[in-house]
Amino acid sequence: GDSVTQMEGPVTLSEEAFLTINCTYTATGYPSLFWYVQYPGEGLQLLLKATKADDKGSNKGFEATYRKETTSFHLEKGSVQVSDSAVYFCALNPSGAGSYQLTFGKGTKLSVIP
Amino acid sequence: DADVTQTPRNRITKTGKRIMLECSQTKGHDRMYWYRQDPGLGLRLIYYSFDVKDINKGEISDGYSVSRQAQAKFSLSLESAIPNQTALYFCATSDLRGDTDTQYFGPGTRLTVL
Repeated sequence: GDSVTQMEGPVTLSEEAFLTINCTYTATGYPSLFWYVQYPGEGLQLLLKATKADDKGSNKGFEATYRKETTSFHLEKGSVQVSDSAVYFCALNPSGAGSYQLTFGKGTKLSVIP
Repeated sequence: DADVTQTPRNRITKTGKRIMLECSQTKGHDRMYWYRQDPGLGLRLIYYSFDVKDINKGEISDGYSVSRQAQAKFSLSLESAIPNQTALYFCATSDLRGDTDTQYFGPGTRLTVL
């Protein structure tokens, strides 16, 4: 079945460091891919998405490129801030637009220290 | 005001008690979902509903039931709570038209079953 594997945390970085959180997926067809972020004490918020191969999603300085050849959707940010401390979830919608089922990775906790 | 609200935000109960968690949304979305989040396991789908008359089981529906009272309201019930139902519960919504594969989450309900 469909699955998402993301790097285990926790990840601790100093402010202004470069961030990469790896995400790979297994799915049939052409899934849509997502990164959601969960700040402490809050629900999940959509951070970015990509719906087809080679698309790049971006938001708040974060980027991720949909790589079909490597079945990956790695999250990157060039310079993290303390306010980026949160749990990040990679997710896929297996049948693309119109489907309802989101499959989530287990989450990666990021802590950014001043 | 938040688009997706959940009540209560925190609840402590005892084994065997009946518990209802409520979700309301003002986004006008047709689709609503209940997930549970456990540390290290990501989010898992409990139930989902595409409209008031359409309710479906998700990955882990045993021990839970739901009610879709209106387009805007979707409740999750634990008929006889047990300790392994201790978790963080999230309600989510998505649109039937337009951006159909993005889900919008409530702030969560932290449930502890003693």
